[in-house]
Amino acid sequence: DGGITQSPKYLFRKEGQNVTLSCEQNLNHDAMYWYRQDPGQGLRLIYYSQIVNDFQKGDIAEGYSVSREKKESFPLTVTSAQKNPTAFYLCASSIDKGRDTGELFFGEGSRLTVL
Amino acid sequence: RKEVEQDPGPFNVPEGATVAFNCTYSNSASQSFFWYRQDCRKEPKLLMSVYSSGNEDGRFTAQLNRASQYISLLIRDSKLSDSATYLCVVLRPSGSARQLTFGSGTQLTVLP
Repeated sequence: DGGITQSPKYLFRKEGQNVTLSCEQNLNHDAMYWYRQDPGQGLRLIYYSQIVNDFQKGDIAEGYSVSREKKESFPLTVTSAQKNPTAFYLCASSIDKGRDTGELFFGEGSRLTVL
Repeated sequence: RKEVEQDPGPFNVPEGATVAFNCTYSNSASQSFFWYRQDCRKEPKLLMSVYSSGNEDGRFTAQLNRASQYISLLIRDSKLSDSATYLCVVLRPSGSARQLTFGSGTQLTVLP
């Protein structure tokens, strides 16, 4: 079955540690995204990538880094510079051939808690 | 003013009721509109797109009012399984999925 796989589902981290969240898709989608969701707030875009070896900052990129070495993979690193990293992180993908439908396919999310 | 605003609810309705959610958007040049559904602690999933002429999918009806810059979602004959958070999503004028803006969601609980 095609889809998006995020891991780990739950992650605990001590302050000052970097952590990397994995996102893999087998939908053959060109575009991939990372969103953050906090209680009572909408999803906010952290980074996105429309093609391999290229990515762009979203609205809240500070304290995060990404890479896109393969079409299928778009890992997100939450660095120690991120002031409030505890959140629900969602990876998504879409067909992005210019003007697309706007439909995003999401992974099941990674819930990060900083202790 | 937020780019996309929704009444957070919660809306608690009995099974079989009709319930409507509204969502307003600030950018008059926004091109496309969607409703996503998000179950508790799960990922969002596309429920339906919203077309200018209005569209219906079973018990769900979506409407767009460009003049007043709002979209609506009507759910008829509510089922227990409709309990979820409904996210209003707007595509900014650039036309790419990276420019989707999400509302904070409206929580619906359908009671037996």
